[in-house]
Amino acid sequence: EAGVTQFPSHSVIEKGQTVTLRCDPISGHDNLYWYRRVMGKEIKFLLHFVKESKQDESGMPNNRFLAERTGGTYSTLKVQPAELEDSGVYFCASSQDPGVGNTEAFFGQGTRLTVV
Amino acid sequence: DAKTTQPPSMDCAEGRAANLPCNHSTISGNEYVYWYRQIHSQGPQYIIHGLKNNETNEMASLIITEDRKSSTLILPHATLRDTAVYYCIVRYTSGTYKYIFGTGTRLKVLA
Repeated sequence: EAGVTQFPSHSVIEKGQTVTLRCDPISGHDNLYWYRRVMGKEIKFLLHFVKESKQDESGMPNNRFLAERTGGTYSTLKVQPAELEDSGVYFCASSQDPGVGNTEAFFGQGTRLTVV
Repeated sequence: DAKTTQPPSMDCAEGRAANLPCNHSTISGNEYVYWYRQIHSQGPQYIIHGLKNNETNEMASLIITEDRKSSTLILPHATLRDTAVYYCIVRYTSGTYKYIFGTGTRLKVLA
Protein backbone atom coordinates (compact mmCIF):
# COMPACT_ATOMS: atom_id res chain seq x y z
CA GLU A 1 0.00 0.00 0.00
CA ALA A 2 1.34 3.44 -0.92
CA GLY A 3 2.10 5.81 1.90
CA VAL A 4 1.54 9.54 2.03
CA THR A 5 3.06 11.11 -1.06
CA GLN A 6 4.17 14.70 -1.41
CA PHE A 7 5.15 16.66 -4.51
CA PRO A 8 7.57 18.15 -5.21
CA SER A 9 10.27 16.91 -2.88
CA HIS A 10 12.19 20.16 -3.30
CA SER A 11 11.23 23.59 -4.59
CA VAL A 12 13.34 26.70 -4.95
CA ILE A 13 11.47 29.88 -5.82
CA GLU A 14 12.11 33.58 -5.73
CA LYS A 15 10.52 35.86 -3.20
CA GLY A 16 7.16 37.04 -4.48
CA GLN A 17 6.49 33.98 -6.59
CA THR A 18 3.77 31.40 -6.02
CA VAL A 19 4.32 27.79 -5.10
CA THR A 20 1.83 24.97 -4.78
CA LEU A 21 2.59 21.88 -2.74
CA ARG A 22 0.60 18.72 -3.18
CA CYS A 23 -0.17 15.87 -0.82
CA ASP A 24 -1.75 12.53 -1.66
CA PRO A 25 -2.90 10.82 1.54
CA ILE A 26 -3.21 7.11 2.13
CA SER A 27 -6.31 5.83 0.36
CA GLY A 28 -9.31 5.84 2.66
CA HIS A 29 -7.87 8.32 5.13
CA ASP A 30 -10.41 11.08 5.66
CA ASN A 31 -8.11 13.07 7.95
CA LEU A 32 -5.32 15.08 6.38
CA TYR A 33 -2.91 17.39 8.19
CA TRP A 34 -0.31 19.92 7.13
CA TYR A 35 2.71 20.71 9.30
CA ARG A 36 5.90 22.63 8.69
CA ARG A 37 9.30 23.15 10.19
CA VAL A 38 11.06 26.39 9.53
CA MET A 39 14.78 26.68 10.15
CA GLY A 40 15.77 25.92 13.74
CA LYS A 41 12.21 25.63 14.97
CA GLU A 42 9.91 22.81 15.98
CA ILE A 43 7.50 21.08 13.65
CA LYS A 44 4.33 23.15 13.82
CA PHE A 45 0.75 22.27 12.99
CA LEU A 46 -0.84 24.25 10.15
CA LEU A 47 -4.26 22.78 9.54
CA HIS A 48 -6.46 19.70 9.56
CA PHE A 49 -8.97 18.52 6.96
CA VAL A 50 -11.71 16.01 7.51
CA LYS A 51 -12.61 14.97 4.00
CA GLU A 52 -12.94 18.28 2.16
CA SER A 53 -13.76 20.38 5.22
CA LYS A 54 -11.28 22.37 7.26
CA GLN A 55 -11.58 21.11 10.81
CA ASP A 56 -8.91 23.38 12.25
CA GLU A 57 -6.81 25.98 10.48
CA SER A 58 -5.52 27.70 13.60
CA GLY A 59 -1.90 27.11 12.64
CA MET A 60 -1.99 28.84 9.27
CA PRO A 61 0.48 31.72 9.61
CA ASN A 62 -1.29 34.31 7.44
CA ASN A 63 -3.52 34.79 4.42
CA ARG A 64 -0.68 34.12 2.00
CA PHE A 65 -1.28 30.44 2.68
CA LEU A 66 -4.25 28.67 1.13
CA ALA A 67 -5.01 25.00 1.58
CA GLU A 68 -7.61 23.07 -0.36
CA ARG A 69 -8.84 19.54 -0.52
CA THR A 70 -11.43 19.40 -3.23
CA GLY A 71 -13.31 16.11 -3.33
CA GLY A 72 -11.72 15.00 -0.11
CA THR A 73 -8.81 13.23 -1.77
CA TYR A 74 -5.50 14.99 -2.39
CA SER A 75 -4.72 18.37 -0.90
CA THR A 76 -2.77 21.40 -2.07
CA LEU A 77 -1.07 24.11 -0.08
CA LYS A 78 -0.42 27.29 -2.00
CA VAL A 79 1.85 30.07 -0.84
CA GLN A 80 1.26 33.36 -2.64
CA PRO A 81 3.35 35.46 -2.62
CA ALA A 82 6.17 33.54 -1.00
CA GLU A 83 8.42 35.32 1.50
CA LEU A 84 11.89 34.38 2.74
CA GLU A 85 10.54 33.25 6.12
CA ASP A 86 8.37 30.64 4.41
CA SER A 87 11.44 28.52 3.74
CA GLY A 88 11.34 25.20 5.51
CA VAL A 89 10.07 21.66 5.23
CA TYR A 90 6.34 21.13 4.78
CA PHE A 91 4.94 17.81 5.92
CA CYS A 92 1.62 16.25 5.15
CA ALA A 93 0.10 13.49 7.26
CA SER A 94 -3.06 11.42 7.06
CA SER A 95 -4.99 9.15 9.36
CA GLN A 96 -8.17 7.21 9.75
CA ASP A 97 -10.68 8.52 12.24
CA PRO A 98 -8.41 9.50 15.17
CA GLY A 99 -11.28 9.21 17.59
CA VAL A 100 -11.50 5.48 17.02
CA GLY A 101 -8.75 3.77 18.98
CA ASN A 102 -6.67 6.88 18.64
CA THR A 103 -4.95 5.76 15.49
CA GLU A 104 -1.67 7.30 14.49
CA ALA A 105 -1.02 9.69 11.64
CA PHE A 106 1.29 8.70 8.79
CA PHE A 107 3.62 11.36 7.49
CA GLY A 108 4.94 11.97 4.02
CA GLN A 109 8.58 12.66 3.20
CA GLY A 110 8.01 16.38 3.14
CA THR A 111 8.58 19.16 0.63
CA ARG A 112 11.65 21.28 1.21
CA LEU A 113 10.79 24.83 0.17
CA THR A 114 13.51 27.39 -0.29
CA VAL A 115 12.58 30.99 -1.00
CA VAL A 116 15.47 33.11 -2.29
CA ASP B 1 -1.21 23.91 24.23
CA ALA B 2 0.45 21.20 26.27
CA LYS B 3 4.20 21.33 25.86
CA THR B 4 6.83 18.61 25.97
CA THR B 5 10.43 18.95 27.13
CA GLN B 6 13.18 16.58 26.04
CA PRO B 7 16.96 16.55 26.36
CA PRO B 8 18.48 17.82 23.10
CA SER B 9 20.79 14.87 22.60
CA MET B 10 21.76 11.45 23.91
CA ASP B 11 24.24 8.72 23.05
CA CYS B 12 23.66 5.00 23.43
CA ALA B 13 25.91 2.01 22.81
CA GLU B 14 24.75 -0.41 20.17
CA GLY B 15 22.92 -3.37 21.68
CA ARG B 16 22.08 -1.53 24.88
CA ALA B 17 18.72 -0.13 25.87
CA ALA B 18 18.07 3.49 24.98
CA ASN B 19 15.90 5.33 27.49
CA LEU B 20 14.54 8.64 26.21
CA PRO B 21 12.80 10.82 28.80
CA CYS B 22 10.06 13.39 28.22
CA ASN B 23 8.34 15.86 30.50
CA HIS B 24 4.74 16.88 29.76
CA SER B 25 3.68 18.40 33.06
CA THR B 26 0.79 20.41 31.54
CA ILE B 27 -0.84 17.44 29.83
CA SER B 28 -4.61 17.21 30.17
CA GLY B 29 -6.49 14.11 31.15
CA ASN B 30 -7.73 13.39 27.66
CA GLU B 31 -4.45 13.96 25.83
CA TYR B 32 -2.36 11.07 24.58
CA VAL B 33 1.41 10.84 24.50
CA TYR B 34 2.82 9.85 21.12
CA TRP B 35 6.38 9.14 20.09
CA TYR B 36 7.70 9.56 16.58
CA ARG B 37 11.17 9.55 15.16
CA GLN B 38 12.71 11.22 12.16
CA ILE B 39 15.62 9.73 10.36
CA HIS B 40 17.54 12.20 8.23
CA SER B 41 15.50 13.63 5.33
CA GLN B 42 12.52 11.35 5.95
CA GLY B 43 9.14 12.21 7.40
CA PRO B 44 8.31 11.49 11.05
CA GLN B 45 7.70 7.80 11.67
CA TYR B 46 5.26 6.55 14.30
CA ILE B 47 6.69 4.50 17.15
CA ILE B 48 4.15 4.12 19.95
CA HIS B 49 1.51 5.96 21.94
CA GLY B 50 -0.32 5.73 25.24
CA LEU B 51 -2.72 7.44 27.60
CA LYS B 52 -2.20 6.10 31.11
CA ASN B 53 -0.92 2.55 30.94
CA ASN B 54 2.48 1.40 29.87
CA GLU B 55 2.56 0.17 26.29
CA THR B 56 4.81 -2.16 24.32
CA ASN B 57 5.03 -3.01 20.64
CA GLU B 58 7.59 -4.55 18.34
CA MET B 59 9.62 -1.34 18.22
CA ALA B 60 9.62 0.03 21.74
CA SER B 61 8.09 0.34 25.18
CA LEU B 62 6.44 3.42 26.63
CA ILE B 63 6.44 4.01 30.36
CA ILE B 64 4.08 6.74 31.61
CA THR B 65 4.26 7.91 35.21
CA GLU B 66 1.17 7.60 37.34
CA ASP B 67 0.63 11.37 37.42
CA ARG B 68 1.15 11.41 33.61
CA LYS B 69 3.56 14.32 33.85
CA SER B 70 6.41 12.43 32.27
CA SER B 71 7.15 9.39 30.18
CA THR B 72 10.09 7.35 28.92
CA LEU B 73 10.51 5.70 25.56
CA ILE B 74 12.62 2.56 25.72
CA LEU B 75 14.32 1.02 22.71
CA PRO B 76 15.35 -2.33 24.22
CA HIS B 77 18.30 -3.15 21.97
CA ALA B 78 19.43 -0.09 20.07
CA THR B 79 20.99 -0.54 16.64
CA LEU B 80 22.84 1.90 14.42
CA ARG B 81 19.62 2.29 12.39
CA ASP B 82 17.92 3.75 15.44
CA THR B 83 20.05 6.90 15.16
CA ALA B 84 17.43 9.61 14.66
CA VAL B 85 15.62 12.54 16.25
CA TYR B 86 12.92 11.28 18.62
CA TYR B 87 9.86 13.42 19.25
CA CYS B 88 7.63 13.18 22.27
CA ILE B 89 4.24 14.57 21.28
CA VAL B 90 1.02 15.41 23.04
CA ARG B 91 -2.06 14.83 20.98
CA TYR B 92 -5.48 16.30 21.51
CA THR B 93 -8.18 13.64 21.61
CA SER B 94 -11.10 15.73 20.49
CA GLY B 95 -11.77 18.30 17.86
CA THR B 96 -8.68 18.63 15.78
CA TYR B 97 -6.44 15.80 17.06
CA LYS B 98 -3.42 17.86 16.11
CA TYR B 99 0.07 16.95 17.29
CA ILE B 100 2.08 19.37 19.42
CA PHE B 101 5.73 18.61 18.68
CA GLY B 102 8.59 19.40 21.03
CA THR B 103 12.17 20.04 19.99
CA GLY B 104 13.05 16.34 20.11
CA THR B 105 16.06 14.35 21.28
CA ARG B 106 18.81 13.55 18.83
CA LEU B 107 19.80 9.97 19.65
CA LYS B 108 23.11 8.72 18.39
CA VAL B 109 23.74 4.98 18.62
CA LEU B 110 27.44 4.25 18.83
CA ALA B 111 29.12 1.12 17.47
